[in-house]
Amino acid sequence: SQQGEEDPQALSIQEGENATMNCSYKTSINNLQWYRQNSGRGLVHLILIRSNEREKHSGRLRVTLDTSKKSSSLLITASRAADTASYFCATVLNTGGFKTIFGAGTRLFVKA
Amino acid sequence: EADIYQTPRYLVIGTGKKITLECSQTMGHDKMYWYQQDPGMELHLIHYSYGVNSTEKGDLSSESTVSRIRTEHFPLTLESARPSHTSQYLCASSGTGSGNTIYFGEGSWLTVV
Repeated sequence: SQQGEEDPQALSIQEGENATMNCSYKTSINNLQWYRQNSGRGLVHLILIRSNEREKHSGRLRVTLDTSKKSSSLLITASRAADTASYFCATVLNTGGFKTIFGAGTRLFVKA
Repeated sequence: EADIYQTPRYLVIGTGKKITLECSQTMGHDKMYWYQQDPGMELHLIHYSYGVNSTEKGDLSSESTVSRIRTEHFPLTLESARPSHTSQYLCASSGTGSGNTIYFGEGSWLTVV
């Protein structure tokens, strides 16, 4: 498996529900980031969690990091139709130059 | 809002033509990247640069070339486009500090017919 694998590949929920996406990785990281991509656009940085942090919040986003399991989750609470997008985790490695590896992404569909 | 700009946003060209995708950033970032992404698929790093006169090939082999003569400018060139080059090309940059947060342009959609 690749560094930065996400699941599920796709997720369809109703507006108001919570959405949870997971990311697993293989090697030691400096930090892990989540990005959002609207259809046909570039990626936008959402949140960064460092390897010595376990949980971080930003508005309706909650990110957790478990370095012992090499996994992270992104929770979007009270989802809205406008949250429909692809979400990518990116692992920043502990190498010179901070190499960043993106996962394949989770496609979230929020139905109004 | 990220200060990184790509032109053109959309381009349809014939097979065999030479094209250059432009990318500029005004954040003074040392690192710049080009990713290739097919619709709904993952990103593939094809080129990166850690500073002026520094360019490296990424994880995915690409027939394109890049140059980095100025910090703010990182153009990508295809000498002879083929239908297999049809894809979205995303330019990005990152600075020192901030955990290597990467800022993306809006992308250039290339269709080769």
